[in-house]
Amino acid sequence: EDKVVQSPLSLVVHEGDTVTLNCSYEVTNFRSLLWYKQEKKAPTFLFMLTSSGIEKKSGRLSSILDKKELFSILNITATQTGDSAVYLCAVGPSGNTGKLIFGQGTTLQVKP
Amino acid sequence: GAVVSQHPSWVICKSGTSVKIECRSLDFQATTMFWYRQFPKQSLMLMATSNEGSKATYEQGVEKDKFLINHASLTLSTLTVTSAHPEDSSFYICSARDGAGQGAGWGNQPQHFGDGTRLSIL
Repeated sequence: EDKVVQSPLSLVVHEGDTVTLNCSYEVTNFRSLLWYKQEKKAPTFLFMLTSSGIEKKSGRLSSILDKKELFSILNITATQTGDSAVYLCAVGPSGNTGKLIFGQGTTLQVKP
Repeated sequence: GAVVSQHPSWVICKSGTSVKIECRSLDFQATTMFWYRQFPKQSLMLMATSNEGSKATYEQGVEKDKFLINHASLTLSTLTVTSAHPEDSSFYICSARDGAGQGAGWGNQPQHFGDGTRLSIL
């Protein structure tokens, strides 16, 4: 059965801290791994990773994929209270179904 | 770009009512859209894949007669929760990919989500 597992499930840090969120997966045919940020409404897209070892970066956020060990990490440096959200990892199996399998999410709370 | 609009954002109605939720891709075409359901403090659960001009593909355990999906154009998919009951109360979210077809680049486009619809059945 295809599955995506995120850890930790929740995390509380203080502003300025650096956090690392983990996502491991087991899917029959892997195509891409995506990270989303969800605040009160629907998820907003952060990164899409398809190749191992290539870091994607956007401001204080960065992510990398390891296709051999079947995991990805999302790093947030110098955290701010606005980073508080649920971070979702999703994996897209190959083929044209377009289906995504989501992990449980990591709830991040950044305290002032 | 890649904006997905979902309407309504919040619905409260009596048990037994049918509720229609719309999902529109505003600045791109999408032959395929996805409908998810999310319970409090849980992740997104894919309900069905909506295919323009053909029947939707439902995930295991999702009642197709309960959750009717229509994808009549390249920019609009609708989900109708028929004869809704309190256990249908949930957050429903749609998503779409930028791409009118399923060519080589389509699979490399991320899904973009609507803002979701919070459905409360009394």
